[in-house]
Amino acid sequence: QKEVEQNSGPLSVPEGAIASLNCTYSDRGSQSFFWYRQYSGKSPELIMFIYSNGDKEDGRFTAQLNKASQYVSLLIRDSQPSDSATYLCAVSSTLGRLYFGRGTQLTVWP
Amino acid sequence: DAEITQSPRHKITETGRQVTLACHQTWNHNNMFWYRQDLGHGLRLIHYSYGVQDTNKGEVSDGYSVSRSNTEDLPLTLESAASSQTSVYFCASSVSRNSGSSGEQYFGPGTRLTVT
Repeated sequence: QKEVEQNSGPLSVPEGAIASLNCTYSDRGSQSFFWYRQYSGKSPELIMFIYSNGDKEDGRFTAQLNKASQYVSLLIRDSQPSDSATYLCAVSSTLGRLYFGRGTQLTVWP
Repeated sequence: DAEITQSPRHKITETGRQVTLACHQTWNHNNMFWYRQDLGHGLRLIHYSYGVQDTNKGEVSDGYSVSRSNTEDLPLTLESAASSQTSVYFCASSVSRNSGSSGEQYFGPGTRLTVT
């Protein structure tokens, strides 16, 4: 059973702060890692993907991957109220399908 | 621009009826997926396809079927709708990486299905 675990939250941070979202996975064969943002009533939107150990930065978002610890995280710098959403972690093994965590609800208050 | 569309966006049907949800993508992706999303369960995989004529069962496939006759479409059929199938359904597509793992997966807007 391939599992992806996320803190369900809710995570609440003030505007301008760094939001840190964490995810662990059980399958050591996992090779692709994704973060999706989902606003209420909308479909998941891909915001970051990472394939190699280390950090990957895209604007205010940084994805961090540590395969040895089976851990992937998403940092959101200078958080904005528009970042308030549920963030889904997804992990792919060698068979091409994704395994999703249940998501972490983030609220950024002004 | 390439996109993935779903229709209808909202559907109300009665128990026992057959229902088909459409999914169409213009990304030219080989891989297509159907998920359902319910409170407390997150996204659950129903069926998926790695190419034309290929279909595979996901973790909650009972009562659902799919067929893949071309690259662009993967319709999802509920053979005999049940109230437990009331949910939001998402279609997604992706390419495969050389390693066999999934590349970026893109989602359609979703279909909200209510079975009365």
